[in-house]
Amino acid sequence: RKEVEQDPGPFNVPEGATVAFNCTYSNSASQSFFWYRQDCRKEPKLLMSVYSSGNEDGRFTAQLNRASQYISLLIRDSKLSDSATYLCVVSRWGLTGGGNKLTFGTGTQLKVEL
Amino acid sequence: DGGITQSPKYLFRKEGQNVTLSCEQNLNHDAMYWYRQDPGQGLRLIYYSQIVNDFQKGDIAEGYSVSREKKESFPLTVTSAQKNPTAFYLCASSIGSGFRETQYFGPGTRLLVL
Repeated sequence: RKEVEQDPGPFNVPEGATVAFNCTYSNSASQSFFWYRQDCRKEPKLLMSVYSSGNEDGRFTAQLNRASQYISLLIRDSKLSDSATYLCVVSRWGLTGGGNKLTFGTGTQLKVEL
Repeated sequence: DGGITQSPKYLFRKEGQNVTLSCEQNLNHDAMYWYRQDPGQGLRLIYYSQIVNDFQKGDIAEGYSVSREKKESFPLTVTSAQKNPTAFYLCASSIGSGFRETQYFGPGTRLLVL
């Protein structure tokens, strides 16, 4: 079983729709959770950090369920510009020499259409 | 203008050749990381460095080498021992400590084998 699992999609949604992605993780020692957005052939860019039960930023809401070990990302009122791949990232303490080990999901692709 | 820069954007390697990818940051971040991204896979950690003159192997260090002589710079050398070097290479640096440590990525270098 992969340490971080995401539905690869693609999710094709009309503009203005609400869409939700789920991500499950297997290591219960995970402490922090992130959603990154990655455009085609570009670097990942931080969208949201989640440390407790959830976080909200405008049209984006992330929720964390530690008991069930999943994180979700909800996008309301989708825009064409939201089309991208969304990476679920899980962090836990444990690098040699200190620091956090990030484990990346393979990403969920979103296509917002007119 | 603060940020992380990587060069070159595209790099072509011949058989048996060592190549070096540049990563520079002017964010005054202590920790720096190298990842590679392959199609359909999550980012995988190659090497990381928490402080100057110290670095550690990540999950897939074989065939790679790094140095950290300056805080701002963390170059990655892909040696001829790396048999499958074609990938998108991403450098990151991080801010914050403990569970709030957050990584930010440079624009990446795409390495292709001739």
